[in-house]
Amino acid sequence: EAEVAQSPRYKITEKSQAVAFWCDPISGHATLYWYRQILGQGPELLVQFQDESVVDDSQLPKDRFSAERLKGVDSTLKIQPAELGDSAMYLCASSLEGHSNQPQHFGDGTRLSIL
Amino acid sequence: RKEVEQDPGPFNVPEGATVAFNCTYSNSASQSFFWYRQDCRKEPKLLMSVYSSGNEDGRFTAQLNRASQYISLLIRDSKLSDSATYLCVVAMNTGFQKLVFGTGTRLLVSP
Repeated sequence: EAEVAQSPRYKITEKSQAVAFWCDPISGHATLYWYRQILGQGPELLVQFQDESVVDDSQLPKDRFSAERLKGVDSTLKIQPAELGDSAMYLCASSLEGHSNQPQHFGDGTRLSIL
Repeated sequence: RKEVEQDPGPFNVPEGATVAFNCTYSNSASQSFFWYRQDCRKEPKLLMSVYSSGNEDGRFTAQLNRASQYISLLIRDSKLSDSATYLCVVAMNTGFQKLVFGTGTRLLVSP
């Protein structure tokens, strides 16, 4: 089981509804990432936090997606309203610091299906 | 053009075979390189980092050619348990690490 905790593991909802995902990184990891992985593709970065601050959200569809990490520990990613194209695996990862030579550790992911 | 390109496969090989995966990247400013492994419906896990001098970890050998912007992974003596998707990953440090993933190459090792 991954050390980065994510919940829920699966989420099925109808379009136009709101969904929220939660992530608890490895203890002491300052950098937290949210990725989206569509079937058959590699993960794509949505947002990156350093402690409680967003350092990269250039790929986050801000009209419907939001992310926060208020206390610099766990994080929530929200989609409102959900669309059919949002069906994907949402992965959270963390690293000790944000430097290029440090590995990222991934959680088990949340598999989202929009009906 | 995608930032990181891989042959999606699948590569079907018998146990004991040697298989090689290739990857190219477009951004010459890329600084770090990795191979991740992802099992079906599981999270990606770091397999190994890739260094310019080449590096080996047991049956796995990774090579980097910065001039050609090319990365490779060689798996010798394939095992059934090697069946997975192998993701080529390139990192840029724009103040903070940003990972760019390839689409992955699927490997199927059969008895």
